[in-house]
Amino acid sequence: AQKVTQAQTEISVVEKEDVTLDCVYETRDTTYYLFWYKQPPSGELVFLIRRNSFDEQNEISGRYSWNFQKSTSSFNFTITASQVVDSAVYFCALSGGAYSGAGSYQLTFGKGTKLSVIP
Amino acid sequence: ETGVTQTPRHLVMGMTNKKSLKCEQHLGHNAMYWYKQSAKKPLELMFVYSLEERVENNSVPSRFSPECPNSSHLFLHLHTLQPEDSALYLCASSQDRGLLYEQYFGPGTRLTVT
Repeated sequence: AQKVTQAQTEISVVEKEDVTLDCVYETRDTTYYLFWYKQPPSGELVFLIRRNSFDEQNEISGRYSWNFQKSTSSFNFTITASQVVDSAVYFCALSGGAYSGAGSYQLTFGKGTKLSVIP
Repeated sequence: ETGVTQTPRHLVMGMTNKKSLKCEQHLGHNAMYWYKQSAKKPLELMFVYSLEERVENNSVPSRFSPECPNSSHLFLHLHTLQPEDSALYLCASSQDRGLLYEQYFGPGTRLTVT
């Protein structure tokens, strides 16, 4: 069975601080995708990144960066110089595969990490 | 309109009522999804439609009944719900099913069952 663990339920940081959101996953599949979504107070999930299991290069997009380490089954997300607009719930997700029993399109989500950036 | 829209945004219903949630996507996608987001629980996939055909039903109680009349519209018909069904119901769409395609989400319908 697939599983995504986001151990941090809530994090508070002061504006301009850096913050890392942890994500650890479990899967038996050799091919899979990992995702991060942001859910602001408005409710809709906003897609941030997709990473396939064969690409372990770190990625940077502006103030956002992602560290994928297959050896530790982790896909951590760092926000540099955080801003108030970054306040949201962040979800890590894993795509289903041959062993998920639910088809390759099913996303398994973590419980989310609520980030509060204090001005 | 662009993206994925959902109506209503908020709904309060009694356990004996019948109501429907509506989702519409303006992205030309072929797959649509219903998710349930309860407090302190991960998002749960309820149904998946691909080209208007239901391809996944994750053991959802029969009091939830989906309908996909075309690739742009998805409904969730609700009847005789229970208080534990109170949650945020999210609709999503993707280009197609499969590992490659990210899902785009609507803003959700906040459902309260009294």
